[in-house]
Amino acid sequence: SAVISQKPSRDICQRGTSLTIQCQVDSQVTMMFWYRQQPGQSLTLIATANQGSEATYESGFVIDKFPISRPNLTFSTLTVSNMSPEDSSIYLCSVERGFDNEQFFGPGTRLTVL
Amino acid sequence: AQSVAQPEDQVNVAEGNPLTVKCTYSVSGNPYLFWYVQYPNRGLQFLLKYITGDNLVKGSYGFEAEFNKSQTSFHLKKPSALVSDSALYFCAVRDGGYNKLIFGAGTRLAVHP
Repeated sequence: SAVISQKPSRDICQRGTSLTIQCQVDSQVTMMFWYRQQPGQSLTLIATANQGSEATYESGFVIDKFPISRPNLTFSTLTVSNMSPEDSSIYLCSVERGFDNEQFFGPGTRLTVL
Repeated sequence: AQSVAQPEDQVNVAEGNPLTVKCTYSVSGNPYLFWYVQYPNRGLQFLLKYITGDNLVKGSYGFEAEFNKSQTSFHLKKPSALVSDSALYFCAVRDGGYNKLIFGAGTRLAVHP
């Protein structure tokens, strides 16, 4: 398995501001993923972050709105920019580990935008 | 394109009874199938996976799942439900070596005493 921590665990933010979410893994991983889980919904992949390269964004998500950093093999950040109430969600990071590339998830960051 | 369907929004089971949470999938290649559980205010926890081999896979907390290729299903089962099993369950699929994991909509399991 993998030990993954996220900061903050939750936050309440004002419309128009930005929030940076941190994800720390207990050992080096090649790929890290950022997901969004809107209230009552399933998980949607935002982007895949490899160390040393630009993140790859899924359809419907853009770098200007969700800039991602991946400075090393154990850490990544996701910024939610110019927030609106529609951005209220749980944001989860995950990593792949093991022979079959299982994905393990962090505890999530619960964001509420007023 | 790959997809996952969980046809039931909620499953209600009495404690001690067997439970089944349904999942069907669609991929073009070989399916990598997973079940995750999410407890309130918690992240996702990995339960079990099917990659290859025996169609019946056993996972955490007494859960198991059966891979059925002809029916493209991967239903989650447990012989005797516990109240503590009440949570949100997600089925997920990946198309072979491609890394993107697609999640179903989730099924809320409610186990009543």
